[in-house]
Amino acid sequence: RKEVEQDPGPFNVPEGATVAFNCTYSNSASQSFFWYRQDCRKEPKLLMSVYSSGNEDGRFTAQLNRASQYISLLIRDSKLSDSATYLCVVNRNDYKLSFGAGTTVTVRA
Amino acid sequence: DTAVSQTPKYLVTQMGNDKSIKCEQNLGHDTMYWYKQDSKKFLKIMFSYNNKELIINETVPNRFSPKSPDKAHLNLHINSLELGDSAVYFCASSQVAGVGNEQFFGPGTRLTVL
Repeated sequence: RKEVEQDPGPFNVPEGATVAFNCTYSNSASQSFFWYRQDCRKEPKLLMSVYSSGNEDGRFTAQLNRASQYISLLIRDSKLSDSATYLCVVNRNDYKLSFGAGTTVTVRA
Repeated sequence: DTAVSQTPKYLVTQMGNDKSIKCEQNLGHDTMYWYKQDSKKFLKIMFSYNNKELIINETVPNRFSPKSPDKAHLNLHINSLELGDSAVYFCASSQVAGVGNEQFFGPGTRLTVL
């Protein structure tokens, strides 16, 4: 089983829509959780960290469910510029980040 | 100013050749990483150095050898290149090693082995 699994999508949504997707992780010792964003043929960039109580950053909301070992990302009022691949990233109690293969979101006009 | 830079951006070479990729960060970070992103888009950690000391050495062929001359540089040398080495290689850095630290990625080096 992969350490981090994501629905690859693609999620095709119209501008202004809400889109949400999950990621599951296998290691219950995982301590830190992140969403990174990767545009086509570009490097990954941190979108947001995910905290135990859930957190928002503008139109983006992240949730963590430790009991079921998943994290989620919700994007409200989608913009064309939100089109990207969203990488779920999990950090155990060591130096290594484990990346999911990404969920592709395409926002259409 | 580019925070994490890599050279070259593209590398096309023949099987069996030896090549190097260079990485530099000007963020003053202590920790640097090499990742490989294959055609299935998985980013996999290969190596990490903290203050010039190797702290992560994943199961990669020993044809891959990292070298950190100082904490701002982490280079990757690959011997006897194989077709399966074709991928995008990303360098990254973080302020310190450990849980919770944001990693900043370079633009990637797209390696194609013919």
